[in-house]
Amino acid sequence: RKEVEQDPGPFNVPEGATVAFNCTYSNSASQSFFWYRQDCRKEPKLLMSVYSSGNEDGRFTAQLNRASQYISLLIRDSKLSDSATYLCVVTPGTGFQKLVFGTGTRLLVSP
Amino acid sequence: GAVVSQHPSWVICKSGTSVKIECRSLDFQATTMFWYRQFPKQSLMLMATSNEGSKATYEQGVEKDKFLINHASLTLSTLTVTSAHPEDSSFYICSARLLPDGLTGELFFGEGSRLTVL
Repeated sequence: RKEVEQDPGPFNVPEGATVAFNCTYSNSASQSFFWYRQDCRKEPKLLMSVYSSGNEDGRFTAQLNRASQYISLLIRDSKLSDSATYLCVVTPGTGFQKLVFGTGTRLLVSP
Repeated sequence: GAVVSQHPSWVICKSGTSVKIECRSLDFQATTMFWYRQFPKQSLMLMATSNEGSKATYEQGVEKDKFLINHASLTLSTLTVTSAHPEDSSFYICSARLLPDGLTGELFFGEGSRLTVL
């Protein structure tokens, strides 16, 4: 079983749609959780951290369920510029030394 | 925000040659940098953790003699792919953390270096 699993997609949605991505992780001792965005042939960039109480940043909402070892990202009112691959990222233990990346979920927003 | 610069962005080389990739933290000091590799449609995989002034820590399955890492200063880490072969063709990305410890240290990535070995 992979440490971090994501549905690879692609998710094809029209502009303005709401789309949700899910991610599961296998290590129950995982401490920190993030969503990164990666555009084609580019480096990943931090989209948002995921906190236990859930958090929101504009159109983006992240949720964490430690009991189910599950993380989600909700994007509301999708824009064309949201088209990218969204990477679920987990630190497997204490500290911040290592990030484990999921394979990513590809989102395509069409006009 | 903090910037990590990587060079070269693209490199094409013949099989058997060595390729050096540089990773620089432009506006902060990075005691630790990380080197990742990403094959098409796959996850970023951590190859090694580069520590300034000491030996790098390699992940399991990564050959330290093939992927030489040097972190001679607080702003520069280099990855040398020695005797490159076509299977080494990949997207290599470095990263550095703004803060040395703690959960709030955001990881900044270089632009990545795409290596193609013919």
